[in-house]
Amino acid sequence: TQLLEQSPQFLSIQEGENLTVYCNSSSVFSSLQWYRQEPGEGPVLLVTVVTGGEVKKLKRLTFQFGDARKDSSLHITAAQPGDTGLYLCAGESSGNQFYFGTGTSLTVIP
Amino acid sequence: EPEVTQTPSHQVTQMGQEVILRCVPISNHLYFYWYRQILGQKVEFLVSFYNNEISEKSEIFDDQFSVERPDGSNFTLKIRSTKLEDSAMYFCASSERLAAGQYFGPGTRLTVT
Repeated sequence: TQLLEQSPQFLSIQEGENLTVYCNSSSVFSSLQWYRQEPGEGPVLLVTVVTGGEVKKLKRLTFQFGDARKDSSLHITAAQPGDTGLYLCAGESSGNQFYFGTGTSLTVIP
Repeated sequence: EPEVTQTPSHQVTQMGQEVILRCVPISNHLYFYWYRQILGQKVEFLVSFYNNEISEKSEIFDDQFSVERPDGSNFTLKIRSTKLEDSAMYFCASSERLAAGQYFGPGTRLTVT
């Protein structure tokens, strides 16, 4: 089993602040995805990164895949209350099998 | 916008009974997946399916589980003899190609009593 550890597990910040969420593993992944999940709903895809060192931006969200394809980060600039939610990373093994991280629960206080 | 649909939204069954969870993936997607999420825990991979056969399966996906694509639109997960520990949210997902990211359905909440 390939483990993906996310940190921090919980994060509470004020509106307008910046934050970074980390997703780490000792395993190499062929791709890595970030999702956001609301209670009782399915995860919603935010981004997929494939190449080591790749950086993708989605409005105020910046995603980076580590050079060795073992880790990733999600940076949010000027957080807003609408960013509140559970953020999940998921790594794809070479055999089309996916491992989800433990999740980071973000609360943005107005 | 196309979306993955799942039925039923909630299924209650007695231990030992068979259940079939149904999914309609996005129409032009080729890769299909089932996951489960026990309340308060992380999303766990069960199985991936491509070209009418299983690509990968996890340790959770034992002989009690099976998947099928009976026609061009449905993708089903069958649990032959449910156990109490099968109670969870089951998510279906689909993707257009490898490394493209997956689109998840709303889930079926399975309660085994």
